Amino acid sequence: EVQLVESGGGLVQPGGSLRLSCAASGFTFSSYWMTWVRQAPGKGLEWVANIKQDGSEKYYVDSVKGRFTISRDNAKNSLYLQMNSLRAEDTAVYYCARVARDIVATRVDYWGQGTLVTVSS
Amino acid sequence: DIQMTQSPSSLSASVGDRVTITCRASQSITRYLNWYQQKPGKAPKLLIYAASSLQSGVPSRFSGRGSGTDFTLTISSLQPEDFATYYCQQSYSSASWTFGQGTKVEIK
Repeated sequence: EVQLVESGGGLVQPGGSLRLSCAASGFTFSSYWMTWVRQAPGKGLEWVANIKQDGSEKYYVDSVKGRFTISRDNAKNSLYLQMNSLRAEDTAVYYCARVARDIVATRVDYWGQGTLVTVSS
Repeated sequence: DIQMTQSPSSLSASVGDRVTITCRASQSITRYLNWYQQKPGKAPKLLIYAASSLQSGVPSRFSGRGSGTDFTLTISSLQPEDFATYYCQQSYSSASWTFGQGTKVEIK
């Protein structure tokens, strides 16, 4: 059974940092792109970042470029999101998710339960 | 960046109704269009990928159509468990994804 379990969320002051982790199990982690998607309270879904299987390609939404870093440790079956210079507008539930890719499609097929990040003084 | 526009933003319907949600891309995304369902307090769930492929385990009352810039999600006969928010998502390029703003399906 595919499982994705996020941790590391919490309350942080504006300008602060936080590192989210995602523990993956039930599949060959090193074979999949992974992604972070967030959802501000009462709002819609927003893609945050993608990372290739070997970490050689990383992509970010413009609003987090230069502040957030996505990374992975395939030996530990873990995905990370380092978040620096946090702003109030980064307040959201952050989802770790698996990306399924084939010739005809790219989609998010498994999601974690999410971890809440609150940026407030 | 590719913008995704969903309509309507909300709708009220009764059990048994046929419901259609529309998603429009700001440029062609061929068939790189996915649909997700989200219930309150839960993670999204993949329903449809590649515009019209049904994800394993998803009931056949859900269907998707379209290509290029215009797409639809149809629920042929709305069931009580289908009341939720639905999102489209373009995955044309791994360098930049976008979601639609969501369509909330409520009970009439």
